[in-house]
Amino acid sequence: AQSVTQPDIHITVSEGASLELRCNYSYGATPYLFWYVQSPGQGLQLLLKYFSGDTLVQGIKGFEAEFKRSQSSFNLRKPSVHWSDAAEYFCAVGAMGGNKLVFGAGTILRVKS
Amino acid sequence: DADVTQTPRNRITKTGKRIMLECSQTKGHDRMYWYRQDPGLGLRLIYYSFDVKDINKGEISDGYSVSRQAQAKFSLSLESAIPNQTALYFCATATGISSYNEQFFGPGTRLTVL
Repeated sequence: AQSVTQPDIHITVSEGASLELRCNYSYGATPYLFWYVQSPGQGLQLLLKYFSGDTLVQGIKGFEAEFKRSQSSFNLRKPSVHWSDAAEYFCAVGAMGGNKLVFGAGTILRVKS
Repeated sequence: DADVTQTPRNRITKTGKRIMLECSQTKGHDRMYWYRQDPGLGLRLIYYSFDVKDINKGEISDGYSVSRQAQAKFSLSLESAIPNQTALYFCATATGISSYNEQFFGPGTRLTVL
């Protein structure tokens, strides 16, 4: 069965600084990988997804993520964080041929001015 | 208007009560999901449905039941609520052959069981 680990429960960055949120997955084959964002009081919104092909994936709101098979990682990055990026971020993995997603525990991002 | 709506948005109930959470969508999607979110645990799948006649258990279905009344409506019931079912509940929808198309989430229902 697949699983997802997000090692950082909370991260605080200064506005304008770069951001990297870590995600490690466990799955024996090529996974389907996702990053979702949950703003306060809102549902989840998809930032980006990886199925195959180019390992660097661009998403909405200036986010990108890189799939590294050798490290079983799919880290989310943004070069310059804005105060509006403060939210909770979830990494999720799905199995090829499966029909369910498994979510990580989430990382809460705080942005200080 | 929101594409995926959930009612109620907040609910406080007592142990032993039966409660129903409702989800409606206007996206025309076939697939619908119920998740619960607990701090530090992320989202866990309770039930999912690929069409009106296809309902499947997720990883934490015990204590819950669902009903897919129509393509657009998917309800979650707690037959006899208990305090550890206090959580934030999300409904989601998706389309396509693969369930790995984007899932669209409702705003959530915050349930408190006293």
